[in-house]
Amino acid sequence: EIVLTQSPATLSVSPGERATLSCRASQTVTDNLAWYQHKPGQPPKLLIYSASTRATGIPARFSGSGSGTEFTLTISSLQSEDFAVYYCQQYNSWPPYNFGQGTKLEIK
Amino acid sequence: EVHLLESGGGLVQPGGSLRLSCVVSGFTFSSYAMTWVRQAPGKGLEWVAGISGSGGSTYYADSVKGRFTISRDNAKNTMFLQMNTLGAEDTALYYCAKDSSVVPAASHSWGQGTLVTVSS
Repeated sequence: EIVLTQSPATLSVSPGERATLSCRASQTVTDNLAWYQHKPGQPPKLLIYSASTRATGIPARFSGSGSGTEFTLTISSLQSEDFAVYYCQQYNSWPPYNFGQGTKLEIK
Repeated sequence: EVHLLESGGGLVQPGGSLRLSCVVSGFTFSSYAMTWVRQAPGKGLEWVAGISGSGGSTYYADSVKGRFTISRDNAKNTMFLQMNTLGAEDTALYYCAKDSSVVPAASHSWGQGTLVTVSS
């Protein structure tokens, strides 16, 4: 089973600044990795799939990079609506299609 | 517009059963794999089960294997999750999701979720 480790657990950033979130896989997932944004009371929203492809309607300030075992989600200039919990998920090796434990992005 | 609506959640006693449903619209249902994901109170997301577009292949997390059964009725645009031998650890908000291909992959669209509470 592939384990995804996200860091940091909590990230405090000021609006307008850049946020960088990491996801490390215990073994290669090639580029079969997705990022989701999850806000309280709402379902998760797909941001990035195939490690670096933005989902439909996702603003350009969200970008994904990496392959193999190391991945990064970057939010270039944080907006107030971006503060949420972010999860990575691998879909290279199943079952299960594990999620990471999440990174909470909070306002500094 | 893609739409997914879960139902069937509720309060059930330990050892009991529930059947969740997910009715979809706005896309060709049989062309996409579907997934169930849950979130226990105060916890992160947990992938539970997936099913291919045809329904011929199913996949389960170890935590539910042998107790949960995922299925779909492509004629009725509906996916199901039969949950048996429920325990307190199954208490969660259950989401259904549409994947990006005929086999399980990233989940592009999600329902609002249905709450399952296992308690005596």
